[in-house]
Amino acid sequence: LAKTTQPISMDSYEGQEVNITCSHNNIATNDYITWYQQFPSQGPRFIIQGYKTKVTNEVASLFIPADRKSSTLSLPRVSLSDTAVYYCLGAGGYQKVTFGTGTKLQVIP
Amino acid sequence: GAGVSQSPRYKVAKRGQDVALRCDPISGHVSLFWYQQALGQGPEFLTYFQNEAQLDKSGLPSDRFFAERPEGSVSTLKIQRTQQEDSAVYLCASSFPGRDTQYFGPGTRLTVL
Repeated sequence: LAKTTQPISMDSYEGQEVNITCSHNNIATNDYITWYQQFPSQGPRFIIQGYKTKVTNEVASLFIPADRKSSTLSLPRVSLSDTAVYYCLGAGGYQKVTFGTGTKLQVIP
Repeated sequence: GAGVSQSPRYKVAKRGQDVALRCDPISGHVSLFWYQQALGQGPEFLTYFQNEAQLDKSGLPSDRFFAERPEGSVSTLKIQRTQQEDSAVYLCASSFPGRDTQYFGPGTRLTVL
């Protein structure tokens, strides 16, 4: 079960690109890296998942270096609606995943 | 339905009362998870079902917590003799078999007075 470490909070102005880095030094060979977003009074929502290199979808990009000991979630041109808590997880198949405390992103007008 | 639903959304209980929280997973999702989320914290794993089988209940905090999924679809989390420390949001999630992307419901906020 990969232990992850993320910054507790980040602030960003609207329109900027935001990069949130997560470290997972003990990630296992078969673990994927998954990011979730959670708004107040809602359950977490899947954003993106990757194993290595770069993954991009309509919402975000995920950069994973060759050693896979860290990953960076990149949110292009954030808006106020991106204010949320972002969780990084490392897991493969079914595992008892651990969310940690996440990174609270505050987007400022 | 299109997503995971949970009911009730809010529950207030007096200390010592029993409560039952319901989860309707996405149709066809074999895997079902329950989490407890305290204020300001990330979700913490409680238990996992594959169909009707409860394969992992290592996160249940005490024997007052009990979960079931008798027909492999709807699940109920029951808390007996509630205590104030049980106050939290209880989240349910479901996923396809063999896929680790979980789809979460909105949660039930339990307040024990």
